[in-house]
Amino acid sequence: DTEVTQTPKHLVMGMTNKKSLKCEQHMGHRAMYWYKQKAKKPPELMFVYSYEKLSINESVPSRFSPECPNSSLLNLHLHALQPEDSALYLCASSPQGGNTEAFFGQGTRLTVV
Amino acid sequence: GQQVMQIPQYQHVQEGEDFTTYCNSSTTLSNIQWYKQRPGGHPVFLIQLVKSGEVKKQKRLTFQFGEAKKNSSLHITATQTTDVGTYFCALVYTGGFKTIFGAGTRLFVKA
Repeated sequence: DTEVTQTPKHLVMGMTNKKSLKCEQHMGHRAMYWYKQKAKKPPELMFVYSYEKLSINESVPSRFSPECPNSSLLNLHLHALQPEDSALYLCASSPQGGNTEAFFGQGTRLTVV
Repeated sequence: GQQVMQIPQYQHVQEGEDFTTYCNSSTTLSNIQWYKQRPGGHPVFLIQLVKSGEVKKQKRLTFQFGEAKKNSSLHITATQTTDVGTYFCALVYTGGFKTIFGAGTRLFVKA
């Protein structure tokens, strides 16, 4: 299994809602990532988990809260988002650090209304 | 921090023509990765270059890493409509984990 699975594929949420994005991989990868991608822009790194511990937070607003329940799962909890947070949210994993190939999920397309 | 500039931003080609995208850095890179993202899709890893002057080929794709490890290129020979998408170089910070993407080059192929 060489897949990273993200759910849901699409999400529409109001600014007062609380929702969660989920990511799962069964490749035994120990590094997992959240990226945000706006239209026609490159992916922007948000968070990095290494061995289930948060190792990088790219100064992301607290309305985004990551969680790594175990080595296969990565969540992104969303609360009080703004319309400008609408984007494609990509999860990725890699065997170790960034010096190895990253496998991306298909992403969750988030619209904040 | 290290940054990488990627050019051109867009490239329109006729099917069968060649295509090249370039990434340039002001500082020496430890390695560089290349990804392809199809329209509506997600980034897919193509290759990683590590050694100075390295050249790697994948069918019609040729990847190069400059001698000074400050630039890299991706060349596609005889483009096909299946090559359509955005090609990103990605800079991996020394120490791993932090991967920064170049702006990307969007390739359009006209049949």
